[in-house]
Amino acid sequence: SQTIHQWPATLVQPVGSPLSLECTVEGTSNPNLYWYRQAAGRGLQLLFYSVGIGQISSEVPQNLSASRPQDRQFILSSKKLLLSDSGFYLCAWSLLWRGSTDTQYFGPGTRLTVL
Amino acid sequence: GENVEQHPSTLSVQEGDSAVIKCTYSDSASNYFPWYKQELGKRPQLIIDIRSNVGEKKDQRIAVTLNKTAKHFSLHITETQPEDSAVYFCAASIRSGYALNFGKGTSLLVTP
Repeated sequence: SQTIHQWPATLVQPVGSPLSLECTVEGTSNPNLYWYRQAAGRGLQLLFYSVGIGQISSEVPQNLSASRPQDRQFILSSKKLLLSDSGFYLCAWSLLWRGSTDTQYFGPGTRLTVL
Repeated sequence: GENVEQHPSTLSVQEGDSAVIKCTYSDSASNYFPWYKQELGKRPQLIIDIRSNVGEKKDQRIAVTLNKTAKHFSLHITETQPEDSAVYFCAASIRSGYALNFGKGTSLLVTP
């Protein structure tokens, strides 16, 4: 069966520091991968998605970037964190069904606090 | 842009009553509509989904209806229980087909 991992689970970082969040998926090949951010008490904001190695689509212009160095690995990065980057970061994976996204399965999330 | 509007933002019902959450979407190319339940501090979990070639789908106490002409879909929960209390999100596939746009969520409270 498929499993999705995220780490770290929680992170407290000072403003201006770099960020690296990692997501890995097991048990499937060539998944679509997604990064979402959820501010406290708010909805899910799609940040990036990837349909293959090295292919990244950005949905929201910001100081974050994403990379997919391997088929089942997705990394979210920042060179300098802002206070507004605080939130719950969720990675998700899906397969395609007739050319469209199928069910998206979410990882356990990383809770980031920027101070 | 492609938006998903979700109403209401909060909903309080008594145990045993029904709950209905409604969403509208703007992208006529959307063809996949999932619903997720998120408990406090946890990840969203899929509870039911529907594709554009189907008008209604039911799974025990949960049902989803889709009106493609009007571009709206709804979640129906019958015989609500306190453990149904959570935030519920609707979503619709975006034009590229590879990703989803989510509604802002409905906080459902079921009181005993």
